[in-house]
Amino acid sequence: KQEVTQIPAALSVPEGENLVLNCSFTDSAIYNLQWFRQDPGKGLTSLLLIQSSQREQTSGRLNASLDKSSGRSTLYIAASQPGDSATYLCALLDPIGANNLFFGTGTRLTVIP
Amino acid sequence: AAGVIQSPRHLIKEKRETATLKCYPIPRHDTVYWYQQGPGQDPQFLISFYEKMQSDKGSIPDRFSAQQFSDYHSELNMSSLELGDSALYFCASSHRDRVMNTEAFFGQGTRLTVV
Repeated sequence: KQEVTQIPAALSVPEGENLVLNCSFTDSAIYNLQWFRQDPGKGLTSLLLIQSSQREQTSGRLNASLDKSSGRSTLYIAASQPGDSATYLCALLDPIGANNLFFGTGTRLTVIP
Repeated sequence: AAGVIQSPRHLIKEKRETATLKCYPIPRHDTVYWYQQGPGQDPQFLISFYEKMQSDKGSIPDRFSAQQFSDYHSELNMSSLELGDSALYFCASSHRDRVMNTEAFFGQGTRLTVV
């Protein structure tokens, strides 16, 4: 069964810093990987989708990379802002659970003004 | 753009009562997923439907059932509620045109409190 891990569980950075969030998975046979943002008690907002054939995707200050062979994805946030404070979750779709997203444990990010 | 709609947003029930959660997927999306998220936890997969048929099942208790209707909306029925069922319940939808490009979109969730 696919296992998805996110380290660190929590991260605090001063405003303006660049930061990297990590997502690791055990089975490299995936269809795609999605990064989500979740504000406390709120829904999940899709940030970026990387297909298995892609290496990275960019959206504004966000850049997500995917290395299937090593079972890793990173979410890079440039010039962090207090509004970026949220929990970031990665989730992947694999051939076994093609109708189920496997979620990571999440990283709670706090950007300090 | 239309998003995934869940209703109700908040629900308070007593132990042993029954609750029904509704999910309206994005138009033309053919897949619906249900997730349960306890406090401080990542979303746990419950069940999914593709083209109105159950396609995958996760850690859904036997007290819960779900279905997807002809208009693609889905309902999660929860009976004999327990205190431990208190959680955020999310619905997501996607369109499986090309599975590698399948992007899931989540609703705002239903917060269920069992007292």
